[in-house]
Amino acid sequence: DAGVTQSPTHLIKTRGQHVTLRCSPISGHKSVSWYQQVLGQGPQFIFQYYEKEERGRGNFPDRFSARQFPNYSSELNVNALLLGDSALYLCASSQGADTQYFGPGTRLTVL
Amino acid sequence: AQRVTQPEKLLSVFKGAPVELKCNYSYSGSPELFWYVQYSRQRLQLLLRHISRESIKGFTADLNKGETSFHLKKPFAQEEDSAMYYCALPSGGYNKLIFGAGTRLAVHP
Repeated sequence: DAGVTQSPTHLIKTRGQHVTLRCSPISGHKSVSWYQQVLGQGPQFIFQYYEKEERGRGNFPDRFSARQFPNYSSELNVNALLLGDSALYLCASSQGADTQYFGPGTRLTVL
Repeated sequence: AQRVTQPEKLLSVFKGAPVELKCNYSYSGSPELFWYVQYSRQRLQLLLRHISRESIKGFTADLNKGETSFHLKKPFAQEEDSAMYYCALPSGGYNKLIFGAGTRLAVHP
């Protein structure tokens, strides 16, 4: 198993645009969580999905949304991008309420 | 509010020296705490969790509820221990972690 995979690796967008980030969990894992990691800080929780339902949401504006598909993969969408959205976006999967395994991240740069 | 504080951005030691990475938390109740590590050009990975009481790669961490701390310790640092270390606290479930800002450990030969 390749572990958690994320695409794309890097992304450059301009202010006002929207972006979709993708995550494929480890086979058998039904829970996916998203985190934002701004340079110099620790990851900050954005969303958690389990069995296609949102189970948690962090302190992020409504411009951020996510969904989980029947195969447990997930998308994170960010609308009306701001310069401050520039960050590394991490996806983590787990079987349930257990250890999270992180992906390599998607580096988003907003110009 | 639940919070994790790692007061040191950088900890620089020589090989063979003892290491202590500090982590303080704010949490009402009995917390479970984690240490995650990120080696250069690798993904974030779990190092240890206090509930398992394991020693991983020579690292240990003891939960001190009186001091609300979960410091990570190793008696003799190795160069391969150089990495970013993050302390984390579950908030409403293991899949929703609150991370500290991280401490970079640099072990010099």
